[in-house]
Amino acid sequence: GDSVTQMEGPVTLSEEAFLTINCTYTATGYPSLFWYVQYPGEGLQLLLKATKADDKGSNKGFEATYRKETTSFHLEKGSVQVSDSAVYFCALSLPDSGSARQLTFGSGTQLTVLP
Amino acid sequence: NAGVTQTPKFQVLKTGQSMTLQCAQDMNHNSMYWYRQDPGMGLRLIYYSASEGTTDKGEVPNGYNVSRLNKREFSLRLESAAPSQTSVYFCASRLTGLHNQPQHFGDGTRLSIL
Repeated sequence: GDSVTQMEGPVTLSEEAFLTINCTYTATGYPSLFWYVQYPGEGLQLLLKATKADDKGSNKGFEATYRKETTSFHLEKGSVQVSDSAVYFCALSLPDSGSARQLTFGSGTQLTVLP
Repeated sequence: NAGVTQTPKFQVLKTGQSMTLQCAQDMNHNSMYWYRQDPGMGLRLIYYSASEGTTDKGEVPNGYNVSRLNKREFSLRLESAAPSQTSVYFCASRLTGLHNQPQHFGDGTRLSIL
């Protein structure tokens, strides 16, 4: 079945450090890929997405490129801030087929950024 | 700009008690979902509803029931709560029919079963 594997956390970085959170997937068909972020005490928010191979999603300084050849969607940011401390989830979604049951999540990666 | 609203935000129950978690969305989305979030396990789908009047089981439906009351509302019921159901519950909604729209989440209900 479809699955998402994320880099295990927790990840602790100093402010302004470079961030990479690895995400690889297994899927039948051609999924869309998402990164969600969860701040403490809140629900998940969409951070960025990519819907086809070689697409790059970007938002708030974060980027991820859909790599079909390596089945990966790694999240990167050049200079993290304390406010980026959160849990990050990678997820995949298969194209609409009449079914609403589509989103498969990774287990999440806790990021803590120290001042 | 409410989005997805869940009530209550916190609840403590005793084993065997029943409870209904409420969820409403104001984005005219057709699909709605209930997830539970447990440490180290990410989000697991409990039930979902592709449209008003339809519901389907997800990964972990045992011990739960759902009702899609209308297009806006999707409730989750625990008939006889068990300690294993202690978790954070998230409701989400999505507009299907357009290619790969994301899901929108509520802020969660933190449920403890003693």
